[in-house]
Amino acid sequence: GAGVSQSPRYKVAKRGQDVALRCDPISGHVSLFWYQQALGQGPEFLTYFQNEAQLDKSGLPSDRFFAERPEGSVSTLKIQRTQQEDSAVYLCASSFRPGANVLTFGAGSRLTVL
Amino acid sequence: AQSVTQPDIHITVSEGASLELRCNYSYGATPYLFWYVQSPGQGLQLLLKYFSGDTLVQGIKGFEAEFKRSQSSFNLRKPSVHWSDAAEYFCAVPLLSGGSYIPTFGRGTSLIVHP
Repeated sequence: GAGVSQSPRYKVAKRGQDVALRCDPISGHVSLFWYQQALGQGPEFLTYFQNEAQLDKSGLPSDRFFAERPEGSVSTLKIQRTQQEDSAVYLCASSFRPGANVLTFGAGSRLTVL
Repeated sequence: AQSVTQPDIHITVSEGASLELRCNYSYGATPYLFWYVQSPGQGLQLLLKYFSGDTLVQGIKGFEAEFKRSQSSFNLRKPSVHWSDAAEYFCAVPLLSGGSYIPTFGRGTSLIVHP
């Protein structure tokens, strides 16, 4: 596609539910990043993929967070047993080259945990 | 420690006035530097970038930024602000983490434009 697509745009979950957020990057983009953005804050790094390899997951806040990119294109961020503090916008970004170059962002998935 | 700092949480300017948003970084060498803009409900969009060469870089929407090594700064400027420039602005620097360079963002500066 022409841009980075994220779904769902909005998700309301009850505390304790599992959620899955999808990112469809620009075709051919090697690098894929997930960020968490709390209200009024900057994006905070969660995890980084180069093709299908997860090279850095140091930003995942707990073992309830899991991300995958099995075929090196679409990625899914899964949050198990959601908590209220997980409420945030989850941003996906992709880049043509490995490493940190210009990122193209999706519009984000806003997660609200009640 | 490597970091990127945006000292101003909010900036208020009148339409037509000039603008400067501050960004400082802590890094061992000359980093790559980026400014992104985020409108409400949207993802981030690249305004401009600095990799090397001329320290004054031009971006989209009439924005420019100047890299000053001596001050470890990369401030964003615009000579005349339009109401449509009201948005959140983020400075970003790729910082080394576990062998990979991870784009790391400042907390952002919210630009408010008065008519």
